Amino acid sequence: ILNVEQSPQSLHVQEGDSTNFTCSFPSSNFYALHWYRWETAKSPEALFVMTLNGDEKKKGRISATLNTKEGYSYLYIKGSQPEDSATYLCAFKGSNYQLIWGAGTKLIIKP
Amino acid sequence: DAGITQSPRYKITETGRQVTLMCHQTWSHSYMFWYRQDLGHGLRLIYYSAAADITDKGEVPDGYVVSRSKTENFPLTLESATRSQTSVYFCASSDFLRTEAFFGQGTRLTVV
Repeated sequence: ILNVEQSPQSLHVQEGDSTNFTCSFPSSNFYALHWYRWETAKSPEALFVMTLNGDEKKKGRISATLNTKEGYSYLYIKGSQPEDSATYLCAFKGSNYQLIWGAGTKLIIKP
Repeated sequence: DAGITQSPRYKITETGRQVTLMCHQTWSHSYMFWYRQDLGHGLRLIYYSAAADITDKGEVPDGYVVSRSKTENFPLTLESATRSQTSVYFCASSDFLRTEAFFGQGTRLTVV
């Protein structure tokens, strides 16, 4: 059974602080690792699609790294803002091309 | 409007009734997916489709039926709704070459 785990489950961060969280996934049959941002009452929106070991992606204050050999990815948020409050999902795509989702990290930014 | 839309947004139905959730996308994406989202489980794949007339089971297909006669539509039918099917349902599509998935707004289904 393929398992994707995210930690922590939830996180409270002071506005202006930087933070990061983890996605662990199977290290075999890797095809891609996705990160999504999911705001309350909205749909998940893609942040990054990462395919190569060592990939680093950046979008504004948010960045992500990928280690396919050990099966983990980190998402970093620099200088957190209230609008960063959301649930961040990662999803692993293996050789069968289905996305296996983590349960998410719920990020709450305290003003 | 371009994008992916689900209907209805909210539905209450009775146990044993048949209900169909609609999903329509305008991008001509090859892949379409149905997920359910329950507390503590994240997103779980019900069914997916790689192209018109091609569908396959996901992680939790029991009690659901899908069809894809046209590329743009991917309806999900609960043949005889049960309370355990109370959930939020998300439809998504992707162009395989790009791989990222685009999600509809979700349908909140309550089975009473």
